[in-house]
Parts: sequence; C-alpha cells; structure tokens
Amino acid sequence: TQLLEQSPQFLSIQEGENLTVYCNSSSVFSSLQWYRQEPGEGPVLLVTVVTGGEVKKLKRLTFQFGDARKDSSLHITAAQPGDTGLYLCAGVGWTSYGKLTFGQGTILTVHP
Amino acid sequence: SAVISQKPSRDICQRGTSLTIQCQVDSQVTMMFWYRQQPGQSLTLIATANQGSEATYESGFVIDKFPISRPNLTFSTLTVSNMSPEDSSIYLCSVEPGEGVSKQFFGPGTRLTVL
Repeated sequence: TQLLEQSPQFLSIQEGENLTVYCNSSSVFSSLQWYRQEPGEGPVLLVTVVTGGEVKKLKRLTFQFGDARKDSSLHITAAQPGDTGLYLCAGVGWTSYGKLTFGQGTILTVHP
Repeated sequence: SAVISQKPSRDICQRGTSLTIQCQVDSQVTMMFWYRQQPGQSLTLIATANQGSEATYESGFVIDKFPISRPNLTFSTLTVSNMSPEDSSIYLCSVEPGEGVSKQFFGPGTRLTVL
C-alpha cells in the first residue's frame, strides 16, 4: 500500500508570509499532483509533476518533485487571503494509472 | 478539462434508507472514480466505475453497500445503501480523461447527512 504523509496538517499565517507544505512517501510515484479545495467544492488540480527533480511555478506557487520521486513540496510566496483552502497532494503509482493516493491534506488559513 | 455535475448537491436522510448520487460529465471519459471525504479531511477512494462491467472496489468498500453503475462514458451513479450515521460524508466523483499525464477533475460533491 502506498502512503503519502503530508505536513503540516494546519497552517495559520498572516498575509505576506511564505509557507511550505510537504508531501513524503517511502514509495516511488510515476507522477504527483497538487490540488486545492474550497468549502463546498471539489478539489481543483493545480499542477502535475512528472520528472524527478522537476520544479514548476504557478505565479506565487512553486512545486517541486524530489529526485527519487518519493516526495514533493509546495511553496507559496507572499501568501494572500485568497490562498486560503485545503491543499492536497496525490500520487499516481506505476501500475495503477489514474488511481490517486491522497495525502492527509493541509488546511491553510491566511489572515489579512 | 472536463465539467462535472453531481446530483443531489446535498441531502439529509434517515438511517436504513438508500440514496443514489448521479455524476454527469460533459465529455466522454475513460475512467471515473468515486471518493468519500469527511469535511476538511482527505479523500478516500471507494471504487473505480468501469463502463460495461462491474466496478472495482477498494479495500473496505463492498458492492452491496455501495453499488455503482456506469451505463456509458459520460454518466455514473453511486448508491449508498442501508445508511447509518457513519455514512455521513461528502461523496465526490472524478474523471480521468486518460490522455497523456494523469490528471483528474472532480465534481462539486454531494454532502450527505444521515440521521
């Protein structure tokens, strides 16, 4: 069974601060996805990282996939209240295309 | 991307009854999935809805409790049978277009409360 450990579980920060969310596993994934979810809605895909060592940027969000494809991080620069939400990482195994293993999620609250 | 709708958006049900949740996609997709989520928590995969054959259930989920139909490539239903308060949760469907790098699109979810 592939497991993803996501941390921290809760993050409460002031507007303008930086933050990093981590996603770690002992398993190797073919790709890893990051989602953001707001109350009453389904998760929305932010990015998929595929190559070990890959770094992707989405405005103030930076996503990194570990060299060994076992871990990933999401870094947000100068957080804004609009960044508030539940952030989820999800890994795709090598033999189960489409089946996602989700981390526990990080609830981010950015105070104005 | 794919646009996914779910019905109902929420419901309050009595224990012992059953509820069928519908998931409609605006385009044909290869794979559809059903998840369960407690508010503010992560998602747990219930099953993969296979078109033209029986759904594939994850450990801890059985067909008698969560029967799934997938009559075509744009539609699926999940039934929560003989409900108990422990079934209170958010149920989400998702689709995997199956082209290129894996990516999934989720419906808005169905919030179920069982009294």
